[in-house]
Amino acid sequence: SQTIHQWPATLVQPVGSPLSLECTVEGTSNPNLYWYRQAAGRGLQLLFYSVGIGQISSEVPQNLSASRPQDRQFILSSKKLLLSDSGFYLCAGGGSSGISYEQYFGPGTRLTVT
Amino acid sequence: GQNIDQPTEMTATEGAIVQINCTYQTSGFNGLFWYQQHAGEAPTFLSYNVLDGLEEKGRFSSFLSRSKGYSYLLLKELQMKDSASYLCAASGYSTLTFGKGTMLLVSP
Repeated sequence: SQTIHQWPATLVQPVGSPLSLECTVEGTSNPNLYWYRQAAGRGLQLLFYSVGIGQISSEVPQNLSASRPQDRQFILSSKKLLLSDSGFYLCAGGGSSGISYEQYFGPGTRLTVT
Repeated sequence: GQNIDQPTEMTATEGAIVQINCTYQTSGFNGLFWYQQHAGEAPTFLSYNVLDGLEEKGRFSSFLSRSKGYSYLLLKELQMKDSASYLCAASGYSTLTFGKGTMLLVSP
């Protein structure tokens, strides 16, 4: 099985500041990787997914971007944070070569934009 | 597109049985997942149904009817630690679409 690492666990950032969240994967090759956001009391919203290096699909247009510079690394970024970017950010891995199987989640990053 | 519906909240008593229902309307459906999420934590995988029928795993069972677009998660011998949000998710080719989750509160 695969292990998903995410950091930091919590983050407080001012409005207008940049963001970079990193996710790394152990135990598998060529995984599908996903970034989700969960606002307080709400469901998981898929933000981006990647089926391979340099391949990014955006599900929701917004103030964020994603990159996959290496097979087991997935990065979520923003140039200027908004208050509405606050939430619980989760990286997940699952499946391979685009085909979906069960997804395993990292521990998440709780982002508060002030 | 995909639409997933599940109840917002449920309550049950320790030792009882509870069934959490999920209905879905999807295109390109491949299977149905259930996840458990404790407050402040990441979701953890519980079960996956791709064929119609019941999958049993210890105290937890999951059922799928593809023709009806319906699934349920059955939790037996409830324990206090089962108090959590339970997320239903429909699988497409590369992605999962999650419902908003059912918050289950188990009381003594």
